[in-house]
Amino acid sequence: DGGITQSPKYLFRKEGQNVTLSCEQNLNHDAMYWYRQDPGQGLRLIYYSQIVNDFQKGDIAEGYSVSREKKESFPLTVTSAQKNPTAFYLCASRGLNQPQHFGDGTRLSIL
Amino acid sequence: AQSVTQLGSHVSVSEGALVLLRCNYSSSVPPYLFWYVQYPNQGLQLLLKYTSAATLVKGINGFEAEFKKSETSFHLTKPSAHMRDAAEYFCAVRISGGSYIPTFGRGTSLIVHP
Repeated sequence: DGGITQSPKYLFRKEGQNVTLSCEQNLNHDAMYWYRQDPGQGLRLIYYSQIVNDFQKGDIAEGYSVSREKKESFPLTVTSAQKNPTAFYLCASRGLNQPQHFGDGTRLSIL
Repeated sequence: AQSVTQLGSHVSVSEGALVLLRCNYSSSVPPYLFWYVQYPNQGLQLLLKYTSAATLVKGINGFEAEFKKSETSFHLTKPSAHMRDAAEYFCAVRISGGSYIPTFGRGTSLIVHP
């Protein structure tokens, strides 16, 4: 059964620590996206990738980094430079001429 | 440039009543429009999409939306609310022919009372 898997579902970070959120898809989609969701603010785009080995910054890329070494995988690293990382993070992918398909999210909290 | 405004951060209805969630968009070129639903601690699920074909679009779970160019609106409706419809709803817009980066509204929380 095809889909997007985000892991872990809940993640805790200590001050000054980098953490990596996993996003894997088996839908054979070329494009992948990372969004941050905060209450009452909708979805804000962090990074996106249209093809393997290429990615672009979204609206709120500061304090985050990504890689796209494989078509199936688009991990997001929340660095210590991100001063307010507590949020719900959503990964999405998209096939040609199709709307985005979303994973179930990772909730990141600061200890 | 594109933007979307969802009127009302919360909408409360009784079970069996009409559901109306409002979405107005701004786009310099013909838009594609979407409604998504999000249940607690889950991702977004596509309810329906408008891609310049029929202006009245039917989606899953009994929802539908009508594209009104003159009003720049794409409101979501359902004739009779059910308890399971309680969720967060997001309207999104993207321009046709551009890079596929939709802009999302801030969301409307639908509350359904028994």
